[in-house]
Amino acid sequence: KAGVTQTPRYLIKTRGQQVTLSCSPISGHRSVSWYQQTPGQGLQFLFEYFSETQRNKGNFPGRFSGRQFSNSRSEMNVSTLELGDSALYLCASSPGGQANYGYTFGSGTRLTVV
Amino acid sequence: AQSVTQLDSQVPVFEEAPVELRCNYSSSVSVYLFWYVQYPNQGLQLLLKYLSGSTLVKGINGFEAEFNKSQTSFHLRKPSVHISDTAEYFCAVTPRGEKLTFGTGTRLTIIP
Repeated sequence: KAGVTQTPRYLIKTRGQQVTLSCSPISGHRSVSWYQQTPGQGLQFLFEYFSETQRNKGNFPGRFSGRQFSNSRSEMNVSTLELGDSALYLCASSPGGQANYGYTFGSGTRLTVV
Repeated sequence: AQSVTQLDSQVPVFEEAPVELRCNYSSSVSVYLFWYVQYPNQGLQLLLKYLSGSTLVKGINGFEAEFNKSQTSFHLRKPSVHISDTAEYFCAVTPRGEKLTFGTGTRLTIIP
């Protein structure tokens, strides 16, 4: 059974640019969540999508957005990149959006903003 | 709101010695509790979880954790560690189906 796939693994962007990250959940899973991991702030929740609808949103500026497609694949977009957006972005999937299943995480996308 | 405190940012342990990684949480409602492990340049892997029932939970790689409601703790233990256990460990809570709130992590270093 394939795990959670995140692409790309590494990304270097310039300040002011925008970026799109992709996440393919485990087959059959309908919930996808996104987290940002930085040395200073640790793991912070960005948002969760379930059946193409955003169910929960963290405390991030509007430059961070996401969406989920009918096949449950999800993308997150960051516009007008800032140096502080450099982080590991982790995607997690779960079957029905309930954390009692234990989210399965991908390997992440390492974004570096220069 | 929920919060998680991992008291030790770094824990060095000799190989084959026991280890305990501490986790305390705060919540006004019942929560589910998790421990995840992160190896270098990788995502998070679920070690174990507590949902209900027996307060002693066994996970993968020989780890176990004990839920203590009165102490609001969920400490992770392993009786004998190996070099391969070198990683960062995260405790997390969720109020039954909402987002995960993570602790700041504990870096476990195994000394040969």
